[in-house]
Amino acid sequence: GAGVSQSPSNKVTEKGKDVELRCDPISGHTALYWYRQSLGQGLEFLIYFQGNSAPDKSGLPSDRFSAERTGGSVSTLTIQRTQQEDSAVYLCASRTSGSNEQYFGPGTRLTVT
Amino acid sequence: AQSVSQHNHHVILSEAASLELGCNYSYGGTVNLFWYVQYPGQHLQLLLKYFSGDPLVKGIKGFEAEFIKSKFSFNLRKPSVQWSDTAEYFCAVKSNTGKLIFGQGTTLQVKP
Repeated sequence: GAGVSQSPSNKVTEKGKDVELRCDPISGHTALYWYRQSLGQGLEFLIYFQGNSAPDKSGLPSDRFSAERTGGSVSTLTIQRTQQEDSAVYLCASRTSGSNEQYFGPGTRLTVT
Repeated sequence: AQSVSQHNHHVILSEAASLELGCNYSYGGTVNLFWYVQYPGQHLQLLLKYFSGDPLVKGIKGFEAEFIKSKFSFNLRKPSVQWSDTAEYFCAVKSNTGKLIFGQGTTLQVKP
């Protein structure tokens, strides 16, 4: 079946602009995660949605970062007033309830110039 | 704090050589451990996982890993690597909130 999809695959933006990154999880997966992969920082957790529960936002690096998940499916990660240090690959993963295995999408490569 | 440490950052091997990538974790609860692989230009894929039971787990493409509780380790092994194993390998532990905590990754380069 279809895997996790993310769009856009690449995004180049100017410093100070806002960006939105989209994640479509696997159908039926109740849990959705955002991670960031950057040079020198490895893979970092950002935020986690599980069903209708309040999201775990403990990994968001600043208040410029926010995410929402509409209808328990699609999620959007928004970065306001982007900075050069936000340049990274943003990964989305989803998981079905009762399973510990997360399935990752291809990521969005964000470059802030 | 929960953490994962991968000792080897960059490994270069010739084809047919044996591979062992180290992974140590710091976590006091029930451990769920993973190895993920990222081939060049591709997304993260699960290589193998340990939840409970036999501490020696076998994954795809001939990889295996051994969970040693006393050493807080989950090292990845393969008896004979191939050029196609060139990739970045990540060890991860699942936290009690469900998120994955990753190690810094190991880049494996296999020379033909």
